[in-house]
Amino acid sequence: QVQLQESGPGLVKPSGTLSLTCAVSGDSISGSNWWSWVRQPPGRGLEWIGAIFHSGNTNYDPSLKSRVTISVDKSKNQFSLKLSSVTAADTAVYYCVREVLRGMDVWGQGTTVTVSS
Amino acid sequence: DIQMTQSPSTLSASVGDRVTITCRASQSITIWLAWYQQKPGTAPKLLIYKASSLESGVPSRFSGSGFGTDFTLTISSLQPDDFATYYCQQYNNYRTFGQGTKVEIK
Repeated sequence: QVQLQESGPGLVKPSGTLSLTCAVSGDSISGSNWWSWVRQPPGRGLEWIGAIFHSGNTNYDPSLKSRVTISVDKSKNQFSLKLSSVTAADTAVYYCVREVLRGMDVWGQGTTVTVSS
Repeated sequence: DIQMTQSPSTLSASVGDRVTITCRASQSITIWLAWYQQKPGTAPKLLIYKASSLESGVPSRFSGSGFGTDFTLTISSLQPDDFATYYCQQYNNYRTFGQGTKVEIK
């Protein structure tokens, strides 16, 4: 079955750059789906960060657009998130997600990223 | 930006109750709405897509309705496994989640 696995540092210093990678298994990242990042601050709701298609087309949430870059590595069947100039407000569980026409149908288990010095 | 507003924020109910959660979009999203269930410490799970279509494997006690700006998620007879937080999400223009509705035991 399709599985997504996030990886990356769990601690990032303020003003630094958060970098996460999502490894995809059981599906080709070069297919017809979009690949998204969603985050959830502690005790709060879900926030969409952005999405990428294998062609490199991206969509970002307007409130984060100036700080976000999502990229895809087709050779490794994975996609990545970079979020720059982070603050404590960026502390959250970060999920990578497969998005089909029906919606977000496969989620990674999530990885906790804390922004602290 | 499209804003999504859910109500109520918290809902207290008993096993067997009929439960309804509403979601309102700030502009028309036609049918492009999904509902997710999230339990503590786990990733969300897709329940309903295109406003009223049931995701494979989801019990038939879950149903969705609505079009345009007003949508509902209904659980016809609440089961112990259904106590969780529910989120609506629009995918008509980028993506936006509602703030969530926590269904708790009365």
